[in-house]
Amino acid sequence: AAGVIQSPRHLIKEKRETATLKCYPIPRHDTVYWYQQGPGQDPQFLISFYEKMQSDKGSIPDRFSAQQFSDYHSELNMSSLELGDSALYFCASSLIGGTGGRNTIYFGEGSWLTVV
Amino acid sequence: GESVGLHLPTLSVQEGDNSIINCAYSNSASDYFIWYKQESGKGPQFIIDIRSNMDKRQGQRVTVLLNKTVKHLSLQIAATQPGDSAVYFCAENYWRGYQKVTFGIGTKLQVIP
Repeated sequence: AAGVIQSPRHLIKEKRETATLKCYPIPRHDTVYWYQQGPGQDPQFLISFYEKMQSDKGSIPDRFSAQQFSDYHSELNMSSLELGDSALYFCASSLIGGTGGRNTIYFGEGSWLTVV
Repeated sequence: GESVGLHLPTLSVQEGDNSIINCAYSNSASDYFIWYKQESGKGPQFIIDIRSNMDKRQGQRVTVLLNKTVKHLSLQIAATQPGDSAVYFCAENYWRGYQKVTFGIGTKLQVIP
């Protein structure tokens, strides 16, 4: 079965640079979530999109932005990178429509961002 | 979820024994719960879920128990195997016009051969 696809898997950037992460949800899923996970920490919710509209916002820095496109893929843009942004970034997807939001969220394998 | 930094709660279990991992959730309005397993450097992998109208759900070697009175969730793994070694997260989900999912603090399961 198709899973959530993230790219790139690994990314190294210097401080103050910009990075873009991409996420391709499971086909027919209408909701995308972004999470950030630091070493030894639980995933922290950043932002989510339902049907291409932002549905919820968590602890996403103002330097970060995201969007969901017409084909449902999503991109997380991170600017003015700081050392503390080094983390594993997960994208997840689920199918909400008509289910009252009780559907499993499936995660991708993550994108490792290292800021040096 | 609140981070515990580098010191995740750790559960050490002998291979073949049963494991019980506990989780406290925060929102009494949460109506759907998921357990995830995360191996090092990989994404969280779905294990089992349970809706709030149930107290117990069984899968293959895993059982989830839900106690809504005290907002507590547990994951029981029968006959724990070395491949079960990972960090386990519970996630609570509630609907507020959109799906809101919050992770609990993970528990690191170490299986001793």
